[in-house]
Amino acid sequence: EVQLVESGGGLVQPGGSLRLSCAASGFTFSSYWMHWVRQAPGKGLVWVSRISSDGSTTSYADSVKGRFTISRDNAKSTLYLQMNNLRAEDTAVYYCATSNSHAFDIWGQGTMVTVSS
Amino acid sequence: QTVVTQEPSLSVSPGGTVTLPCGLSSGSVSTTYYPSWYRQTPGQAPRTLIYNANTRSSGVPDRFSGSILGNKAALTITGAQADDESDYYCVLYMGSGNWVFGGGTKLTVL
Repeated sequence: EVQLVESGGGLVQPGGSLRLSCAASGFTFSSYWMHWVRQAPGKGLVWVSRISSDGSTTSYADSVKGRFTISRDNAKSTLYLQMNNLRAEDTAVYYCATSNSHAFDIWGQGTMVTVSS
Repeated sequence: QTVVTQEPSLSVSPGGTVTLPCGLSSGSVSTTYYPSWYRQTPGQAPRTLIYNANTRSSGVPDRFSGSILGNKAALTITGAQADDESDYYCVLYMGSGNWVFGGGTKLTVL
């Protein structure tokens, strides 16, 4: 069964850091580009970041550029999102998703990040 | 900054047909934006419905179809069912490795 499981969310103070993980199983993780998408409470979905299958190419939404870093470990079939200098507006459920032809395909269940003092 | 536009809410009768549009604040949507569609019920992860404008994702019933209508992407649901009541999001690929979601359409079946 194809599965993505996010972890690492929690409560963090403004200006703090957090690293999210997304463990993949049931497919050849190293063959797929991957995304992070987030959703603030009661709001819509927002694309955050993308990484190529070998990790050599990344892109970010303007709102997180310079603060977030996407990476992956293909040997561990795991995707990461390092989030630094967190702000209240980063509070959201963070989903990882596989990429398919300029779209998102399989989604994880999400992990909640709350930025608050 | 380009905004992807969606109707905030739409309704359809059971068994009816509804079309959800997805446009741009400036310009026309075409296949070069690789429009895709997702549905989400409260508390659940999104599910992929359509990609490349009109290709159904695996396991998606053929009641769901995607197209380009005029200057917008569109998701059409035929034979609407009660459990089609969800939030529906479109996404456009803006190039240079950037994607933008629309604000979503809340579909009510009544």
